[in-house]
Amino acid sequence: ETGVTQSPTHLIKTRGQQVTLRCSSQSGHNTVSWYQQALGQGPQFIFQYYREEENGRGNFPPRFSGLQFPNYSSELNVNALELDDSALYLCASSVGEEPVSYNEQFFGPGTRLTVL
Amino acid sequence: QKEVEQDPGPLSVPEGAIVSLNCTYSNSAFQYFMWYRQYSRKGPELLMYTYSSGNKEDGRFTAQVDKSSKYISLFIRDSQPSDSATYLCAMSAPHGGSYIPTFGRGTSLIVHP
Repeated sequence: ETGVTQSPTHLIKTRGQQVTLRCSSQSGHNTVSWYQQALGQGPQFIFQYYREEENGRGNFPPRFSGLQFPNYSSELNVNALELDDSALYLCASSVGEEPVSYNEQFFGPGTRLTVL
Repeated sequence: QKEVEQDPGPLSVPEGAIVSLNCTYSNSAFQYFMWYRQYSRKGPELLMYTYSSGNKEDGRFTAQVDKSSKYISLFIRDSQPSDSATYLCAMSAPHGGSYIPTFGRGTSLIVHP
């Protein structure tokens, strides 16, 4: 069974640029969540996708957007990068069910984004 | 005031010690309480989760939740150098169609031989 993978591992961008980060969820998982973890802080929830639909969003501006594909892999896009966007971006996958229930999230290793 | 408060440490203990890690929170709607371990340059790994108040034990790890005090703890018995990592508490309440965790900032633990 393959775990959650993310690419790239590291990325350096300049202010104002756009970036796309990618995540492959664990086999059998249909839900993907994205988090931003600044240095010395805990992960902050950006948004979640369940069966290709956005299923919840945290307190992040619209320049943070995402997609989930039919194979349940996902992308996080950030436009107009700012210096404060420098962080570790984590993807987590889980098995979503209805009705609402708690499901364990499995995290990938993250993509470290540096904005200069 | 943050929803979840966690002392960042670092907490340094000798090998074999009992470690106590704690978090407090303000949102009474939280229902699930989790502890994650995060090694340097890795993603968080779930150690244990608890629903509502009570204790849960798994090997050397024990999680406690006191909802009346809005306080959760993780105890590590017979700590090992390999336990050196950042420990993140997280808790979640229903949010739309799912449970979204809110994380503490993490406590850095160092277990020295």
